[in-house]
Amino acid sequence: KAGVTQTPRYLIKTRGQQVTLSCSPISGHRSVSWYQQTPGQGLQFLFEYFSETQRNKGNFPGRFSGRQFSNSRSEMNVSTLELGDSALYLCASRLGTSGGHTDTQYFGPGTRLTVL
Amino acid sequence: AQKITQTQPGMFVQEKEAVTLDCTYDTSDQSYGLFWYKQPSSGEMIFLIYQGSYDEQNATEGRYSLNFQKARKSANLVISASQLGDSAMYFCAMREGYYGKLTFGQGTILTVHP
Repeated sequence: KAGVTQTPRYLIKTRGQQVTLSCSPISGHRSVSWYQQTPGQGLQFLFEYFSETQRNKGNFPGRFSGRQFSNSRSEMNVSTLELGDSALYLCASRLGTSGGHTDTQYFGPGTRLTVL
Repeated sequence: AQKITQTQPGMFVQEKEAVTLDCTYDTSDQSYGLFWYKQPSSGEMIFLIYQGSYDEQNATEGRYSLNFQKARKSANLVISASQLGDSAMYFCAMREGYYGKLTFGQGTILTVHP
């Protein structure tokens, strides 16, 4: 079974631009979560989508948004990029249909965004 | 307050020896899950092992085992017979509640020497 895929793998943008990152979950997984990883702040949760609905959101400004499509693929958008948005953006998928904590999240390889 | 604390920024171990990576957590929930992930220099997060708060037995997955001490709120990862390929960053994470949000520790860099 194919793992979580993310595109693009690397991206260079300039301040003020916007960017869209894409994530395709493992087949059958309906939940997609996004995380930002920086050396200073570590791994921080951005949001989770399930069946095209945002279920949970982290403490990030409104410039960070996402959506999920009917095939469970998800996109994340960052508008008006700032230097501090330079990070590794990781997407993770899980079944999302079972309660409790046994539903493991599997991560993609990440998109490394550099803002100049 | 930190929800997940990994107090060892870096650890060194000789090949074929065992190593323990520490993790303590803080939650008021009775039901939660604890996870360990490995992140090589390539960046991908690789799931290693899971422990549920109601699990009475310590979790094991091949060379990985989790030393779960609920009263102390610790969930240490034990890697037996270390291999050079184990050199990576290791993260402890917790999920509380039903949704998918994971809270991560700051990570421990493990270096395995030949």
